[in-house]
Amino acid sequence: NAGVTQTPKFRILKIGQSMTLQCTQDMNHNYMYWYRQDPGMGLKLIYYSVGAGITDKGEVPNGYNVSRSTTEDFPLRLELAAPSQTSVYFCASSYSSGNSYEQYFGPGTRLTVT
Amino acid sequence: GENVEQHPSTLSVQEGDSAVIKCTYSDSASNYFPWYKQELGKGPQLIIDIRSNVGEKKDQRIAVTLNKTAKHFSLHITETQPEDSAVYFCAASPTHRGSSNTGKLIFGQGTTLQVKP
Repeated sequence: NAGVTQTPKFRILKIGQSMTLQCTQDMNHNYMYWYRQDPGMGLKLIYYSVGAGITDKGEVPNGYNVSRSTTEDFPLRLELAAPSQTSVYFCASSYSSGNSYEQYFGPGTRLTVT
Repeated sequence: GENVEQHPSTLSVQEGDSAVIKCTYSDSASNYFPWYKQELGKGPQLIIDIRSNVGEKKDQRIAVTLNKTAKHFSLHITETQPEDSAVYFCAASPTHRGSSNTGKLIFGQGTTLQVKP
């Protein structure tokens, strides 16, 4: 299993540009999450999904959109990039179970908006 | 909503010493408390977790304790080794009566642990 994969690894955007961060998992997990990590601030939940066709906002959803058309994929869309969106973005997935809540993280995408 | 505070932000210990990281949470409905380790350039990885019906859990050199009354939990690493150097995050999973568990995690700010050889 490849686990959780994210593309691209690095990206530089100009203010106002848009892009999609890709996330794919091959573990048949039904739950998926997007976090952003700013220096010294921990991880903040942007959006999450409990299954295909179901998404919900996390702590910091403004400026982002998501979709979940398949179990495997959970792309994150930035429509009008702003310098405040400069961050490292992590995708994660987990299997819903009464005994297990472990989240498996991808390697991250480092995004710079200038 | 849930808020998780983590201290200290940095911790430096000598190899072989113990390290303790503490977290407090605000939502008494939270019932799952994992700890993640993040090495440089990588995503976080679960190292240990504890549920609200348990007061302590141990796995070799690491242990986690939970005080539900005080709403705080701690990570203890004994006999630290240089490879323990990393950023450690605590988290809480808020659940609410009548709602299905979504596995959402609210993370603390992180602790950078440095183990000096």
